[in-house]
Order: sequence, then structure tokens, then C-alpha cells
Amino acid sequence: QSVLTQPPSASVTPGQRVTISCSGSSSNIGSNTVNWYQQLPGTAPKLLIYSNNQRPSGVPDRFSGSKSGTSASLAISGLQSEDEADYYCAAWDDSLSGSVVFGGGTKLTVL
Amino acid sequence: QVQLVQSGAEVKKPGASVKVSCKASGYTFTSYYMHWVRQAPGQGLEWMGIINPSGGSTSYAQKFQGRVTMTRDTSTSTVYMELSSLRSEDTAVYYCASQSGLVSWFDPWGQGTLVTVSS
Repeated sequence: QSVLTQPPSASVTPGQRVTISCSGSSSNIGSNTVNWYQQLPGTAPKLLIYSNNQRPSGVPDRFSGSKSGTSASLAISGLQSEDEADYYCAAWDDSLSGSVVFGGGTKLTVL
Repeated sequence: QVQLVQSGAEVKKPGASVKVSCKASGYTFTSYYMHWVRQAPGQGLEWMGIINPSGGSTSYAQKFQGRVTMTRDTSTSTVYMELSSLRSEDTAVYYCASQSGLVSWFDPWGQGTLVTVSS
């Protein structure tokens, strides 16, 4: 049972837009920034979005993040087949002695 | 560029211990915290703990307290994660991931080390 809640799966057709939600509480998302990681099949996770809505160099602007209160969202527009991956949100949690908590992950399928 | 290279896959029997290494390069070793995150087969990411390579201080997730030990060797820019009293549920890919001191995110990650616990 993950501390942050994500939908387990999402399916979208190429070119469309998808939004993945991440719900937490006042001790994690409510008081800390949210980061998103992309994990392509068989590979290590890679930083996708940091500090709620910032994109690292090299990440296309099709990817965007937002945060409001104790929830965050990752949006992907103009979906491409190479976007098929698992997506995880993460945040520090002040109630767990400075631990990091992850969402359970969302498996994105591009039909 | 910053790179993390982990040791190879391990097969262990229940009750044994495993020690996974993560060698850093491309930056000042003591400037980045290092985290360990594991992923059981078909499951999500689970944070295990953090080590500060500068002084060696550590903080572990409650779930792993008493079973995990994270250490570092500054002479080789390597951090280690040792997990003891292994059980089948510890079968997972173990990742190291770096965090620059003033930020909250992990970047980059190591390639992962598969640890299989089986009798």
C-alpha cells in the first residue's frame, strides 16, 4: 500500500492527452514539492519532472506537472508510442522522519 | 556527467546477507546524498534509506530498521547497501539514486542490481 495514490493504469491513443493524478496528504505533497519519474520497460527510473512543474534538460515540453494542495498531476500531450512506460510520483514526508514516499505507479499504454 | 554504476546480480539463500555497491563518477562524491530504492517484481518503487557520503550519516525507512546498513568509501567514491536476514520477499531490483544537497529529487539513478532470494 503506497503512501501516495495513483491510478494503476491509463490507456490513450497516439496524439491524445493524458493526465495522471497523485494524491497525498498534508505531511508529504501538502508541504513538499513533487517529483515525477518515468520508467521505460526494463530500465531504471529517470527524472521526468522536478519541483512540481520543472522539466530537466532533454525532457520534451509535451510533459508538464502541476500541484494543488495535497494532490499533483502529470500531463502528457501529443502522446507517442515511446511514452509507454510506468510513471511514479514522489515526495518527502515530514511525518516519517524525513522519508521519501512514492506513488504506486501508473502504467501508461499507448494503444 | 554524473554516473552511478552498480554491482552485478546476486543470488542468496534465506537468512543470508547481501551487499550491493554503487560507484559514483563525474562529480564530487561528497556533494550528493545517495538513496537506495528497491522494486519487487511487477511492483512499484520503495524507498529504503539515505546516506550522506560526506560524514557517513544515515537514515533508514522504518520498515528496514535493524536489517539495512548503508556505508560509503570516499577513497573509491562508492556507497554500499547491506541487507541482512534475507527472505523471499526481498527479491527485487535494488537501485541507488543520487540527490544534490539542496534539491529534493533523485537524478541520476544506477542501473539496478537484481537480488534473488531463494532456497
